Amino acid sequence: EIVLTQSPGTLSLSPGERATLSCRASQSVSSNYLAWYQQKPGQAPRLLIYGASTRATGIPDRFSGSGSGTDFSFTISRLEPEDFVVYYCHQYGSSSTFGQGTRLEIK
Amino acid sequence: EVQLVESGGGLIQPGRSLRLSCDASGFTFEDYAMHWVRQAPGKGLEWVSGIDWNSGVIDYAESVKGRFIISRDNAKNSLYLHMRMLRVEDTALYYCARDMAATGPYYLDYWGQGTLVTVSS
Repeated sequence: EIVLTQSPGTLSLSPGERATLSCRASQSVSSNYLAWYQQKPGQAPRLLIYGASTRATGIPDRFSGSGSGTDFSFTISRLEPEDFVVYYCHQYGSSSTFGQGTRLEIK
Repeated sequence: EVQLVESGGGLIQPGRSLRLSCDASGFTFEDYAMHWVRQAPGKGLEWVSGIDWNSGVIDYAESVKGRFIISRDNAKNSLYLHMRMLRVEDTALYYCARDMAATGPYYLDYWGQGTLVTVSS
């Protein structure tokens, strides 16, 4: 099983700042099959990024993803107030596993 | 509009069984693999199980292997999760999610709102 480790667990930033989240895999993720989801309180997760760097339909371009192999990152270029929620990475290259999540909080 | 509506959750004693359902609409159900993902209260997401379009390929997380069975009925546009030998640690909100492809696993592009399973004596 591929274990995904997200860091940091919590990231404290201010609106307008840039956020960079990390997702490290215990072994190489096949074909960069890595996705990122956003989850707001009381809601189901929403797909943001797939294939490590492709934005899903309707996702603003302030959200981006990069990386390959075992190291992936997710960036929000300019934080909006509604971005301060939880983000999960998900690998689907070998079965399917999620990271433990990173919470973005307002500083 | 794609809709996934889960049902069947509730309070159940340890060791008992429960079947969850997910009714799909707004897309051609038989063209997509489907998954169950759970989230314990206050915790992160955990992938539970996935099934391809014609039930030919099925996979489970180690934590539920041998106890849970995923199935689907394409004629009824429905996905199921039969949970046996339930444990306290199975307590979670169970989401039904659509895979982006028929053969999966790929990324999950639509999610239901979840059904809550509470395992407690």
